[in-house]
Formats: sequence, structure tokens, C-alpha cells
Amino acid sequence: KQEVTQIPAALSVPEGENLVLNCSFTDSAIYNLQWFRQDPGKGLTSLLLIQSSQREQTSGRLNASLDKSSGRSTLYIAASQPGDSATYLCAVDNTDKLIFGTGTRLQVFP
Amino acid sequence: DGGITQSPKYLFRKEGQNVTLSCEQNLNHDAMYWYRQDPGQGLRLIYYSQIVNDFQKGDIAEGYSVSREKKESFPLTVTSAQKNPTAFYLCASRPGQTSYNEQFFGPGTRLTVL
Repeated sequence: KQEVTQIPAALSVPEGENLVLNCSFTDSAIYNLQWFRQDPGKGLTSLLLIQSSQREQTSGRLNASLDKSSGRSTLYIAASQPGDSATYLCAVDNTDKLIFGTGTRLQVFP
Repeated sequence: DGGITQSPKYLFRKEGQNVTLSCEQNLNHDAMYWYRQDPGQGLRLIYYSQIVNDFQKGDIAEGYSVSREKKESFPLTVTSAQKNPTAFYLCASRPGQTSYNEQFFGPGTRLTVL
């Protein structure tokens, strides 16, 4: 059974720092991995989708990498801003269904 | 505006009542999904549908029912058999019937049992 873990559970950093969020999964036979952002009380916003054949994807200040063989993905956020404060969720798809991690709650303070 | 709408935003239910949560999308997506989110936990899949008039159980389907009579609509009924229904419910959709496309989410419905 696929299990997804995100470390750390919470992170507080000053504005301007570069930071890395981690996601690990137990079954490497995935179709893709998706990173989401969730603001309090809101739905999920898709940030990046990495197909199983890809190593990384970039969007603006965000860069996500995927290492299927080791069951790991990282989300790199450059030059963090207070507006980046949210919960970040990763999810893997290996059976036409997404399996989610419990998220990393990020706070960026001025 | 293209997107996924969920209604109502907040819903209160008395013990023993059935309630229906609405999910509508105008993205022309084939697949639709219902998730439940509890504090401190990841999202868990309740039901999903990859085509009209067909749907499959997810990991926590007990106490829930769905229908998919139209491509754009996938309502979720929370029945009285669901023992702990208080949660945040999220609907999602995806183009195509395969796993190569990203899922898009609605704004959610927060259900509280009184």
C-alpha cells in the first residue's frame, strides 16, 4: 500500500530564505507526483505536476524534483515571501488515484 | 470563468439526516473525485468517477453515496450511516481518464454535525 510522508510537518522562516520541502513515498511505481498549496479553509491549488519520466519541473520561484528510485521528491522555494505562507501537500498517483501526504505548514515572517 | 464550484460553503447537519454536497465543473473534464480532509490528516478519497454513469469506491466510501448522471456534475450524499461526518469535503476533476493529467480542486464544503 502506497504511503506518502512529508517532512517537516511545520516550518517557520524569515522572508528571503530559500527553503526545501520534502516528500517521500513507499511505492516507486507511480504515474506522476503533484505538489499543491492550500490556504486555511480553502481548496487546493495545483503548483507543479511531475510525470514519472521527468526529473524536475519549474514554475517561477518553485522547482520540484523527482527521484523515483529512492521514492523522494523535493519542492524548492526560492526567495520566500510572506505570501508563500500556506500548507504544501504532495500527492502521488499510481492507480488512477492520488495518495496524499499530511502536508508541511509553512510560515514566512517579514 | 472556468472552474469547479462546490456548494454550500458551510453545511450543518443534525444527527440522522442525509445531506447532499454539490460539485459542478465547466472544464469539460472526464474524471471527478471526492475527498475528505480532517485536521492533521491528508486528503482521503471517498468516491471517483471516470465517465458518466460509472463510479468507483475510494478508500473511505462507507456511509457515502454518489451519482454521475451528467459529465459536469458529481454530487455527494453523506448518509446517516456515516458515523463521523464532520470534515472538510473537497471535489476535484481531471481531464481524460488516465493519470497523466493534473487534478484541479474546488473551494470545498465544510460539514458540521450538530
